[in-house]
Amino acid sequence: EPEVTQTPSHQVTQMGQEVILRCVPISNHLYFYWYRQILGQKVEFLVSFYNNEISEKSEIFDDQFSVERPDGSNFTLKIRSTKLEDSAMYFCASSGEVGEKLFFGSGTQLSVL
Amino acid sequence: GNSVTQMEGPVTLSEEAFLTINCTYTATGYPSLFWYVQYPGEGLQLLLKATKADDKGSNKGFEATYRKETTSFHLEKGSVQVSDSAVYFCALRFQGAQKLVFGQGTRLTINP
Repeated sequence: EPEVTQTPSHQVTQMGQEVILRCVPISNHLYFYWYRQILGQKVEFLVSFYNNEISEKSEIFDDQFSVERPDGSNFTLKIRSTKLEDSAMYFCASSGEVGEKLFFGSGTQLSVL
Repeated sequence: GNSVTQMEGPVTLSEEAFLTINCTYTATGYPSLFWYVQYPGEGLQLLLKATKADDKGSNKGFEATYRKETTSFHLEKGSVQVSDSAVYFCALRFQGAQKLVFGQGTRLTINP
């Protein structure tokens, strides 16, 4: 089965630093997503991206966050100035169409010190 | 708002035991309901889904029935295996919407 790939699997950064989390969605998919899970809490939707623009975002996704599809294969999440509370597991996902099955990556564990 | 609540984990069972993981939801309307599973080191995978009331989703011996009257979607399996050890997530999504609303996940460990 095709896979969504996320790198790195673990990232440690200092508070205030910029971090970029990388994802390679499934090649023929059109919809891309980021979710996160703070330890012990629910998996939360951050943002969805279609046709090179954000199609929906949550209240968590403030000005410190941005997403980009810099080329035909990568989908990135940038956190401009990380805070302690950004520590979480970040999941990338993709789907072929709205309402279709989502394929998730295995996540990037971000630790902000 | 829309939300999903799962039973707290972790859950530890012996092989061949009966499994139930409770999931209830709060939603304005009639969402589709999902169970996702995350095996160690892997991404979340869709396990099963149900799109309307009284539908039963099933896969790999797991079942869940969409109960509108109790706003529930409990996951069951009659005889669990060690290989079922994973984290299970209940989720909802409205038709045409992009985002999934997840519960917090329930870690299941099956001992031989």
